[in-house]
Amino acid sequence: DQQVKQNSPSLSVQEGRISILNCDYTNSMFDYFLWYKKYPAEGPTFLISISSIKDKNEDGRFTVFLNKSAKHLSLHIVPSQPGDSAVYFCAASDSNFGNEKLTFGTGTRLTIIP
Amino acid sequence: NAGVTQTPKFRVLKTGQSMTLLCAQDMNHEYMYWYRQDPGMGLRLIHYSVGEGTTAKGEVPDGYNVSRLKKQNFLLGLESAAPSQTSVYFCASNFYRRNTEAFFGQGTRLTVV
Repeated sequence: DQQVKQNSPSLSVQEGRISILNCDYTNSMFDYFLWYKKYPAEGPTFLISISSIKDKNEDGRFTVFLNKSAKHLSLHIVPSQPGDSAVYFCAASDSNFGNEKLTFGTGTRLTIIP
Repeated sequence: NAGVTQTPKFRVLKTGQSMTLLCAQDMNHEYMYWYRQDPGMGLRLIHYSVGEGTTAKGEVPDGYNVSRLKKQNFLLGLESAAPSQTSVYFCASNFYRRNTEAFFGQGTRLTVV
């Protein structure tokens, strides 16, 4: 039972354009969401997060949007750069104390075309 | 400034052999985790620990054991390795507080033949 789903295994975007990565979740107890970026042969690194009390969070070129009613979040990267080519994982947690473990999606491989 | 360090980085095992993967963190984090990453499966939680001396099962615990004897170390053991345990293993850690991100090690690529 996949509680966090990333339905697009891969995405190719022209350099300078917007990249939009999507993520859906089924567990209504999830209240904290994160995006991780992973390069080959490295561990995932934290990119951006959002709490369920917000619907948008921005950090430079990265913006995460949360639609709680649809149980959907998305990551926007504007403008896309070649260094953004990586696998992006969406993750979610129920942040009540004692239950902060992360549930990950299957990842989306983003390729930025120069 | 090491963060989360995993040992070893690569290992090849024969079916039935045993081994231990070591994770060490120097950030004084209470929580530690072991994940495995397989193609098309994302990262799946094997076991985790909410503090020294505690362990708990995650999503895919069968065939693995863990120990957290010291706060900074989290060990993952395979008693009798099987080809199905061929995977990339990641350790992670974070603070015991709400809404905080986990920090990951660089991964251990394990092949069981």
